[in-house]
Amino acid sequence: DIQMTQSPSSLSASVGDRVTIICRASQNIKSYLSWYQQKPGKAPKLLIYAASSLQSGVPSSFSGSGSGTDYTLTISSLQPEDFATYYCLQSYSPPYTFGQGTNLEIK
Amino acid sequence: EVQLAESGGGLVQPGGSLRLSCEASGFTFSQWWMYWARQAPGKGLLWVSRIDTEGSSPTYADSVKGRFTISRDNAKNTLYLQMNSLRAEDTAVYYCARRGYSGEFEFWGQGTLVTVSS
Repeated sequence: DIQMTQSPSSLSASVGDRVTIICRASQNIKSYLSWYQQKPGKAPKLLIYAASSLQSGVPSSFSGSGSGTDYTLTISSLQPEDFATYYCLQSYSPPYTFGQGTNLEIK
Repeated sequence: EVQLAESGGGLVQPGGSLRLSCEASGFTFSQWWMYWARQAPGKGLLWVSRIDTEGSSPTYADSVKGRFTISRDNAKNTLYLQMNSLRAEDTAVYYCARRGYSGEFEFWGQGTLVTVSS
């Protein structure tokens, strides 16, 4: 099974900050990597698919990059509505695996 | 507009069974692979199962293999998850989702809570 290691597990930042979240796969997942945002009591929302493609309707402040085993989600300028939990997912080989999550909090 | 609506959750005793449903609308259901995922209270997301357009070759997480069965009725635009031999650790919100072209969970339902407790 492919393991996904997401870091950091929590992050404190301020409005306007640039933040980066990292996911590392235990083997090459060939960009079958997506990113999700989840707010309390809500279903997750797709932000990025295929490592770097922005889902329709998602602000351009979100971006994804990476290849092979290493991937990043960057938020270029944090807005108040961006404080949430973020997850990565590898969908290269089942069982598909999510990262452990990053809780992004207001500093 | 793509919509997915889960139902069928509730309280069940350990060892019991439950069938979840996910009614799809706003797209041609029969043309898309579908997923189930779950989230235990206060925990992260776990992929549970996937099914192709015809309902063949389902795939499962090891933790549910042999106990859960995914299926679909394309005529009813509905995805199912039959859960047997339920355990306390199966307690979670269960989400259905439509698979995107690159395997992502493109659209999610609102989730249904399953509680396994005596």
